[in-house]
Amino acid sequence: QSVLTQPPSVSGAPGQRVTISCTGSSSNIGAGYDVHWYQQLPGTAPKLLIYGNSNRPSGVPDRFSGSKSGTSASLAITGLQAEDEADYYCQSYDSSLSGSSVFGGGTKLTVL
Amino acid sequence: QVQLVQSGAEVKKPGSSVKVSCKASGGTFSSYTISWVRQAPGQGLEWMGRIIPILGIANYAQKFQGRVTITADKSTSTAYMELSSLRSEDTAVYYCARADLSGSSPYFDYWGQGTLVTVSS
Repeated sequence: QSVLTQPPSVSGAPGQRVTISCTGSSSNIGAGYDVHWYQQLPGTAPKLLIYGNSNRPSGVPDRFSGSKSGTSASLAITGLQAEDEADYYCQSYDSSLSGSSVFGGGTKLTVL
Repeated sequence: QVQLVQSGAEVKKPGSSVKVSCKASGGTFSSYTISWVRQAPGQGLEWMGRIIPILGIANYAQKFQGRVTITADKSTSTAYMELSSLRSEDTAVYYCARADLSGSSPYFDYWGQGTLVTVSS
């Protein structure tokens, strides 16, 4: 059971927009800690996609965007492309767990 | 170009220990923290703990307290993760990841390639 809750899977057709939610609690996202997002392609290490709730590292397309409100955060992907098919993870910090970073359970994005 | 290069795959017996290394290059080792994150087959990411190399201080996820030790050698810019009392459930890919020292909610901007640890009798 992950501290942050994500839907196991989402899907969309090429060109469409999809969103992935990440729900936490008052000891992590709700406490004001930033949320970050990672993309993991099969057989590879995770790659930073969004940091500080809504910032994109250099090289990440602006089709990817992040937002945060209350105890939840969301990742939106517009203009869906076949190469976006991957696992996506949210991550934050939790003050109730001895200063731990925490991850969501991950969401598998399928491009139909 | 920042790189984190990890040691190779390991096969271990239940009850034994494993030590995985993570050598950093292309950045200032002491300016960052190094975390260890593991991923069991078909499962999600799990944070295990981190070390602040400049201070030599480590903190661990509650789940792994007493079984994991994270250390760092500043002279070689290498971090280590040792997991003891291995059981089959510890079979996973273990990643090291770099995060900035500052900020209340650190994020991991560079990752190692991963090290597969298989625990089997």
